[in-house]
Amino acid sequence: QSALTQPASVSGSPGQSITFSCTGTSSDVGSYNLVSWYQQHPGKAPKLMIYEGSKRPSGVSNRFSGSKSGNTASLTISGLQAEDEADYYCCSYAGSSTVVFGGGTKLTVL
Amino acid sequence: EVQLLESGGGLVQPGGSLRLSCAASGFTFSTYAMSWVRQAPGKGLEWVSAISGSGGSTYYADSVKGRFTISRDNSKNTLYLQMNNLRAEDTAVYYCAKAPAMTTVTSFDYWGQGTLVTVSS
Repeated sequence: QSALTQPASVSGSPGQSITFSCTGTSSDVGSYNLVSWYQQHPGKAPKLMIYEGSKRPSGVSNRFSGSKSGNTASLTISGLQAEDEADYYCCSYAGSSTVVFGGGTKLTVL
Repeated sequence: EVQLLESGGGLVQPGGSLRLSCAASGFTFSTYAMSWVRQAPGKGLEWVSAISGSGGSTYYADSVKGRFTISRDNSKNTLYLQMNNLRAEDTAVYYCAKAPAMTTVTSFDYWGQGTLVTVSS
């Protein structure tokens, strides 16, 4: 149950596209198309943004998209907005009804 | 509207016990798996435990196995986490989270606002 690896921080300017990476292993990210992504603003509960690798829940902007290649999953935000500034966490199914989170990436909108 | 409301957090001494509750509403509670996820101050999210919709299957992170027990009362639409032999490293905000399926937790579509547990002497 080792944590997935995410960069500590990324930054971008309004209107830009930005991509977060999430690296796991062949036991989690690489074995299942079950990566989810969460947005968390300070002092708030996490919010589901992407599930099953690339699916968006109802109400989530289509500016958010997810993908996977091998043991690495990615979240892309296009048309960056000030309100997107938050922490982003990836999460992968790891078998036997267990999941593992990444350490989180802090997004700064310049 | 789905709502999850945690309670039961507080200050406890190392080695002590605490029971968290999560009252659910707005969905058919018994048909969804549920989980507890925690977040230590200034740190990331950590999955703690999960339980199937029927309550018949339970799962734990290695860090809490043998010390924490997850359970649910579907007649009361309530999820519980019994925490024993608490350690300083268990200090965190504990979130109750709903899974989108009955038996397997693969993601979390709804979260509560969390309850803070502080383990300190």
